[in-house]
Amino acid sequence: DQQVKQNSPSLSVQEGRISILNCDYTNSMFDYFLWYKKYPAEGPTFLISISSIKDKNEDGRFTVFLNKSAKHLSLHIVPSQPGDSAVYFCAATPRMVGNEKLTFGTGTRLTIIP
Amino acid sequence: DAGVIQSPRHEVTEMGQEVTLRCKPISGHNSLFWYRQTMMRGLELLIYFNNNVPIDDSGMPEDRFSAKMPNASFSTLKIQPSEPRDSAVYFCASSWDRNTGELFFGEGSRLTVL
Repeated sequence: DQQVKQNSPSLSVQEGRISILNCDYTNSMFDYFLWYKKYPAEGPTFLISISSIKDKNEDGRFTVFLNKSAKHLSLHIVPSQPGDSAVYFCAATPRMVGNEKLTFGTGTRLTIIP
Repeated sequence: DAGVIQSPRHEVTEMGQEVTLRCKPISGHNSLFWYRQTMMRGLELLIYFNNNVPIDDSGMPEDRFSAKMPNASFSTLKIQPSEPRDSAVYFCASSWDRNTGELFFGEGSRLTVL
């Protein structure tokens, strides 16, 4: 049972345009959400996070939006750059219960077209 | 600073053989995680330790899998006997702050069981 779902395995976007990656979750205990970025032959690296008390968090070109009622979050990258081509994983954790276990989605492969 | 170090980077073995994957977490980190990445299920948590003590091993597939953390600077994941369906990339990650949810991943160990 996938508690964190990324329904788009891949996404292609023109350089300079906006990239929007989506993630849905089913566990209402999740209260902290993260995005990780992974290049080939490397481990995932932390990108940005958001707590359930917020609905938006911004860091430079990256913004994460959280819609708790819909159990949905999205990552926006503006403007997209060739170096953003990677696999992006959404992750969630029930931090309120002191559990640091991260549940990941299956990932979305983003390709930025020059 | 050295990141999380995993060995071997690649392992090819035959069905029935024992496989041992090794991990050295970042110095000072008190939590260590073993994840497995497959195309179908993304990143799955196998087990995690806090202060060298196993906290959650509910993701360990079956008795063929075992993990140990004898001290703060070393952990092993063992598969005995190995099967072709165990073929995957195994990641080790560590963290120091259970409040951020941010994990630092190693580069992974790619296992192929023939």
